[in-house]
Amino acid sequence: AQKVTQAQTEISVVEKEDVTLDCVYETRDTTYYLFWYKQPPSGELVFLIRRNSFDEQNEISGRYSWNFQKSTSSFNFTITASQVVDSAVYFCALSEARGNTGKLIFGQGTTLQVKP
Amino acid sequence: DADVTQTPRNRITKTGKRIMLECSQTKGHDRMYWYRQDPGLGLRLIYYSFDVKDINKGEISDGYSVSRQAQAKFSLSLESAIPNQTALYFCATSDSGTGGLAGITDTQYFGPGTRLTVL
Repeated sequence: AQKVTQAQTEISVVEKEDVTLDCVYETRDTTYYLFWYKQPPSGELVFLIRRNSFDEQNEISGRYSWNFQKSTSSFNFTITASQVVDSAVYFCALSEARGNTGKLIFGQGTTLQVKP
Repeated sequence: DADVTQTPRNRITKTGKRIMLECSQTKGHDRMYWYRQDPGLGLRLIYYSFDVKDINKGEISDGYSVSRQAQAKFSLSLESAIPNQTALYFCATSDSGTGGLAGITDTQYFGPGTRLTVL
């Protein structure tokens, strides 16, 4: 069965620290997408990244970077030099090709608090 | 203007009342989804629709119904609301994935959410 686990419920850091949010997934499918979404205090869900199962290259976007490792079924998210505006709940999600439903399976979310 | 809108944004209602949450999109996407978010549980899928005539149950559809009035509109109804339906509800849309891997839909884009409280 498909499953996404974000073991870190809450993380608190001081501004300018680097922080890594962990995501471990389970799937029997060989074709799938992984996503990260950000939910700031205002409540909306903001799409951050999509990675397909055939592309294990790391991705960097400004202060954000993602490390995808199929060997450990992980898709971790690192924020470099964190800022107060990074405070949010972050969700990792999985979408399988099986059945072509496009359904997203979400992790429980990690609440990140960045203190000034 | 936002691409995916939800109305109302907040609603407080009483047990047993019928409630309708509405979602509209201007992204031209054919697929639409309804999720609910509960603390510590992430988001869970209630219903999804691939087009006006294709509606499917998600993992937690009991107590809910949906209507796809047009490609751009997808409504979620609670026929008789109960307190454990208190949650944050999100609508999402996606394209049919012609630009991605075969068999997987494109990225889902979410509305701003509706906070529903059932007393």
